[in-house]
Amino acid sequence: ILNVEQSPQSLHVQEGDSTNFTCSFPSSNFYALHWYRWETAKSPEALFVMTLNGDEKKKGRISATLNTKEGYSYLYIKGSQPEDSATYLCAPGQNFVFGPGTRLSVLP
Amino acid sequence: NAGVTQTPKFRILKIGQSMTLQCTQDMNHNYMYWYRQDPGMGLKLIYYSVGAGITDKGEVPNGYNVSRSTTEDFPLRLELAAPSQTSVYFCASSYGGRSTEAFFGQGTRLTVV
Repeated sequence: ILNVEQSPQSLHVQEGDSTNFTCSFPSSNFYALHWYRWETAKSPEALFVMTLNGDEKKKGRISATLNTKEGYSYLYIKGSQPEDSATYLCAPGQNFVFGPGTRLSVLP
Repeated sequence: NAGVTQTPKFRILKIGQSMTLQCTQDMNHNYMYWYRQDPGMGLKLIYYSVGAGITDKGEVPNGYNVSRSTTEDFPLRLELAAPSQTSVYFCASSYGGRSTEAFFGQGTRLTVV
C-alpha cells in the first residue's frame, strides 16, 4: 500500500482567491495519478488522471501538474467559488488507494 | 445506464449481527473496490477485485469479507458487526489500466448500535 500525503489538511479561502494543494507519493514505480473531487453527502467524482512526468491537465478553473521524478502533484483552483468547496483526493498507483484529502471551504 | 448501484442506502445493525452490502455495475468493468469513509481520514480501501474470482485486501480489511463470482457484482460481508464499523461505505469500479477513472456508487450509510 502506497504512502500518500496531501497538504494542507484543510483550507479556508475567500471567494475569488486562487489556491493550490499538494499530493506527495513515492517516486519509484510510478503508475498513474488520479485527482478526485468529493462534495459533502455525495460520491467522489474524477477530475483528472495523469500518467506522464510533466503532464498538465485543465478543466475550467481547475488545473493539475505532475512531477513523477520527485513524487508530487499540484492541484490549482483559480478564482475559487463557493461551489468549489469539497474535499480533493489524490490516488497514485494502480489500485485507487487515496490520500487523506484536502478539505477546501470557500467563503462567500 | 445505471453505473454503480449500491443497496441498501441506509441500514442500522445491532452489535454482532451480520449483513451484506450489495454492489453491482453495468459497465463491464474488470476492477471493483470497496471503501469506507472515516471522519477526517478520507476514503480507506477495504478490499478490491481485478476480475471475477480474484479479490485482494486493501488498507483496512479486518472484519470484512468479499467475493466476486461475476463481473457485475462485488458484495461486501460484515460477519459480526461492531460499532467501529459505523461508516459510509462506497463501492467503485473501473476498467483497469493507467488512464481509466473509477466510478463510484452513491454509498451505503451503516450504523451499528
